[in-house]
Amino acid sequence: GAVVSQHPSRVICKSGTSVKIECRSLDFQATTMFWYRQFPKQSLMLMATSNEGSKATYEQGVEKDKFLINHASLTLSTLTVTSAHPEDSSFYICSARRQGEYGNTIYFGEGSWLTVV
Amino acid sequence: DAKTTQPPSMDCAEGRAANLPCNHSTISGNEYVYWYRQIHSQGPQYIIHGLKNNETNEMASLIITEDRKSSTLILPHATLRDTAVYYCIVRVAEYNNNDMRFGAGTRLTVKP
Repeated sequence: GAVVSQHPSRVICKSGTSVKIECRSLDFQATTMFWYRQFPKQSLMLMATSNEGSKATYEQGVEKDKFLINHASLTLSTLTVTSAHPEDSSFYICSARRQGEYGNTIYFGEGSWLTVV
Repeated sequence: DAKTTQPPSMDCAEGRAANLPCNHSTISGNEYVYWYRQIHSQGPQYIIHGLKNNETNEMASLIITEDRKSSTLILPHATLRDTAVYYCIVRVAEYNNNDMRFGAGTRLTVKP
């Protein structure tokens, strides 16, 4: 079956530094990937839509200069949290859209825990 | 904004069927009903989806009412590993459709 992989699964960084999270579709090409953030005991909140070869589309209230998204290939999207602060600590999840004959299905990665200290 | 309403929590005895309801009274004709679940500290896992006919796969069954305003996800023999938050989502499954938006979901606890 389709697999979406994220790396790293857990990362701790110092306040003020930047951290990059990778999202890969392992057995299919994904022209569109999505990035979500989830705080404890809350649901997933869509942050942005990552489009291969073009700029990402950000949801209202998400700072595009803080959460840099790059979708340079059909199997890889990256999310870079710049100048991280403790309030950016969260569970970040990506998903990738796999197109099929009868529409598309979205598969999710395992998630990445970010802790900013 | 999520287009679905689900009970916040449910309990189920191990080995029994778990029936998770979802209301989607404003569903459009071209919107599918999708179900995902999220086990603690993991990414969401796809379960099943359907348009208007009932669907079954190795994980679950999806029963959609004739008016399509509600549906039920059935886990026929729940196990402790089925304890998770279950999300019901409606979306258009076309090539150019984009995101999957999550509501609060139902926290299912399977008890021994």
